[in-house]
Amino acid sequence: QQPVQSPQAVILREGEDAVINCSSSKALYSVHWYRQKHGEAPVFLMILLKGGEQKGHEKISASFNEKKQQSSLYLTASQLSYSGTYFCGTEIDVNRDDKIIFGKGTRLHILP
Amino acid sequence: EAGVAQSPRYKIIEKRQSVAFWCNPISGHATLYWYQQILGQGPKLLIQFQNNGVVDDSQLPKDRFSAERLKGVDSTLKIQPAKLEDSAVYLCASSLKTANSPLHFGNGTRLTVT
Repeated sequence: QQPVQSPQAVILREGEDAVINCSSSKALYSVHWYRQKHGEAPVFLMILLKGGEQKGHEKISASFNEKKQQSSLYLTASQLSYSGTYFCGTEIDVNRDDKIIFGKGTRLHILP
Repeated sequence: EAGVAQSPRYKIIEKRQSVAFWCNPISGHATLYWYQQILGQGPKLLIQFQNNGVVDDSQLPKDRFSAERLKGVDSTLKIQPAKLEDSAVYLCASSLKTANSPLHFGNGTRLTVT
């Protein structure tokens, strides 16, 4: 049930864009996105619901394609502060038990 | 609001010893999670509580791990006896019992088993 994230790692220069993908083999009810900096706890970015809703937070936005059972996180005009590991967490639709399973993460490194 | 509190921050023990971690969730958060995060990997769910009842503990190695959440607030996670592969960061998270609530994580306990 663990979602699959891609790519595993990305290196960008400040100002460039990035896309991180999260896919599941099961129908999803919701997708969570978190960012974790080295030695720190994961920090919540956004939640997307079944229904294909797209959300945005400053220059970070995400989409949720219910039919494809996948979500994508978009980081535009990346800043140095965006560096870290991004995790998607998914809740399976059939269960609806608030059980959040995380992917292995995507490491993002922004160069000045 | 105060965040999720965890203690201790670090713990070093020898294999076969026992260890306990404590978590105090955000006030009013009904759901509490314990995750194990091995270096370089995503958080792995060990156990999920709803108030003081267990919702899911399918990934908890019950021969050595135990957890409780008395009175539906604080929670403790215990390992007895510890193995080398238990070295990891143990994260506690809490959320409101409403649809699509974000998880709030504590700073975690970094366990090293030697």
